[in-house]
Amino acid sequence: DAGVTQSPTHLIKTRGQQVTLRCSPKSGHDTVSWYQQALGQGPQFIFQYYEEEERQRGNFPDRFSGHQFPNYSSELNVNALLLGDSALYLCASSLVSGRETQYFGPGTRLLVL
Amino acid sequence: ELKVEQNPLFLSMQEGKNYTIYCNYSTTSDRLYWYRQDPGKSLESLFVLLSNGAVKQEGRLMASLDTKARLSTLHITAAVHDLSATYFCAVDMHKKLVFGQGTRLTINP
Repeated sequence: DAGVTQSPTHLIKTRGQQVTLRCSPKSGHDTVSWYQQALGQGPQFIFQYYEEEERQRGNFPDRFSGHQFPNYSSELNVNALLLGDSALYLCASSLVSGRETQYFGPGTRLLVL
Repeated sequence: ELKVEQNPLFLSMQEGKNYTIYCNYSTTSDRLYWYRQDPGKSLESLFVLLSNGAVKQEGRLMASLDTKARLSTLHITAAVHDLSATYFCAVDMHKKLVFGQGTRLTINP
């Protein structure tokens, strides 16, 4: 049973560029959440998708957007990249009706130069 | 706004000793999780605590939850080097996880 997968693993961009990160949830899960983890910090919630809609959003600007596809996979898009967007981006999946924990993918490490 | 605070933030221990990491949170919730993160890696789920008084144990780690005090603890018994990592608690707010700052644990021989 495949766990949560993310691609790419590493990415280098320059300021002002746009980036798309991808996530496939754990088999059977229907909810995908995205988190940003800066170096030395705890993960910060970006947003959550369920039934192809954004259900919750954290304190992130509109430059951060996402999408969920009918197969429950998800994308995170970041426009007009800033140096401060450099971080580990984590995708987590869960069941909307479940009480188990969220399972995290391996993450995408983004470096903005 | 929910705030989650862990202490200590840094902990250096000797092998064989016991210690406790504390996680306090500011808003009522009956779901709390503990995760482990190794350097450069993702988060590994350790414990799910779903009710007041819940206690879970796995090897040398034991976690507990007191929802009335809004406090969870992660107790390490007879520490070994392999437990060196950063430990996060996270409070579940309608499937949105709010994390503490993390406790960086180093266990020395």
